[in-house]
Amino acid sequence: EVQLVQSGAEVKKPGESLKISCKSSGYTFTTYWIGWLRLMPGKGLEWMGNIYPGDSDTRYSPSFRGQVTISVDKSITTAYLQWSSLKASDTAMYFCARRTYGSGTEFEYWGQGTLVTVSS
Amino acid sequence: QSALTQPPSASGSPGQSVTISCTGTSSDVGSYDSVSWYQHHPGKAPKLMIYEVSERPSGVPDRFSGSKSGNTASLTVSGLQAEDEADYYCSSYAGSNNLVFGGGTKLTVL
Repeated sequence: EVQLVQSGAEVKKPGESLKISCKSSGYTFTTYWIGWLRLMPGKGLEWMGNIYPGDSDTRYSPSFRGQVTISVDKSITTAYLQWSSLKASDTAMYFCARRTYGSGTEFEYWGQGTLVTVSS
Repeated sequence: QSALTQPPSASGSPGQSVTISCTGTSSDVGSYDSVSWYQHHPGKAPKLMIYEVSERPSGVPDRFSGSKSGNTASLTVSGLQAEDEADYYCSSYAGSNNLVFGGGTKLTVL
């Protein structure tokens, strides 16, 4: 059974750093793209970027390039999303998701989401 | 403002059909058959309902169907059921390794 399990909710202050995780199981981790997506109330879903764990090839949305870093640790089949300096506007729910095999752009399996709250 | 435009809300009575539109441009929806639809019940993980404009993943009821004409894609839910009440999001490949989403439509089953 394919599962993506995300790390728990975080409460941070502006300027702090953060790294959230997405642990995958039930499939060959290195052969499927994993994406990160943001859900903000009233704004809908936004694609942040994808990473291919096989070679760490990473693609970012123009809106998020330079704002976040996506990475993986193949040895523990885990993908990460990190911020070096959080802003209040980063408050949102973040989802990781696994794309279908090959060149498809759709996300077939999703994590449960990680709520990030940034407040002074 | 989202890249793809969806109506903020839609509604229908049980058993009826409802169609949700997703309007993009000739750079995304109009150029690629890579339109997907996701169902999201708040507090749960989103679920893929339609991919490649009109394909249904295994396990998705055939009450859900997708189509595309020009720069506008559509999701139709036939035979509405109470459990269909959720937020629905469309997405499209937009070239240059970019993926864009709509702002979401809240479907209410009356």
